[in-house]
Amino acid sequence: EVQLVESGGGLVQPGGSLRLSCAASGFTFNVYDMHWVRQVAGKGLEWVAAIDTGGDTYYPDSVKGRFTISREDAKNSLSLQMNGLRAGDTAVYYCARGLGYCTRASCYVCFDNWGQGTLVTVSS
Amino acid sequence: DIQMTQSPSTLSASVGDRVTITCRASQSISHWLAWYQQKPGKAPRLLIYKASTLERGVPSRFSGSGSGTEFTLTISSLQPDDFATYFCQQYNNGPTFGPGTKVDVK
Repeated sequence: EVQLVESGGGLVQPGGSLRLSCAASGFTFNVYDMHWVRQVAGKGLEWVAAIDTGGDTYYPDSVKGRFTISREDAKNSLSLQMNGLRAGDTAVYYCARGLGYCTRASCYVCFDNWGQGTLVTVSS
Repeated sequence: DIQMTQSPSTLSASVGDRVTITCRASQSISHWLAWYQQKPGKAPRLLIYKASTLERGVPSRFSGSGSGTEFTLTISSLQPDDFATYFCQQYNNGPTFGPGTKVDVK
């Protein structure tokens, strides 16, 4: 059974940093692109980062330069380093397995497995 | 960016009803559309991808159709477990999601 378990969420002040982690099990982690998707409370979903099997990374403009996704295949682990956090980054952050692929132009992917999410609150 | 809209935003229905949700894209996305179900406090669950392909383990009462800019998710006979919020997502150019349709009890 595929399992994705996020951790690391919490309360952080504007301008601060936070690192999220995702522990994966139940599948061959190193053959899948992995993603982070966030959801503002009661609202829609937004894709925020991707890393492919070769370690190339992809971001939307809303987080580019502030967020960094990384993976450690030996530990079946995914991370998201978030710097320069803003109130608008407050959301539940999900780790998700990708079905599709990314190129330099864009990501062409949907998400076939998700973690339970971890809440990030940015507030003073 | 490709914008996604859904209608209705809320749908009130009874067990056994046939339910249809519509998703529209701001430009053609071919068949690159997925549907998800989300229950309160839970992660989204993939139901359908490539507009009409049922994900493994998803009941056959769920079906998807459409191409280009207009898509539908149909639940042929609503079951108690189906009361939830449904999101569409395009992946023709950068994944973007619709705002969701909540299916609640009539």
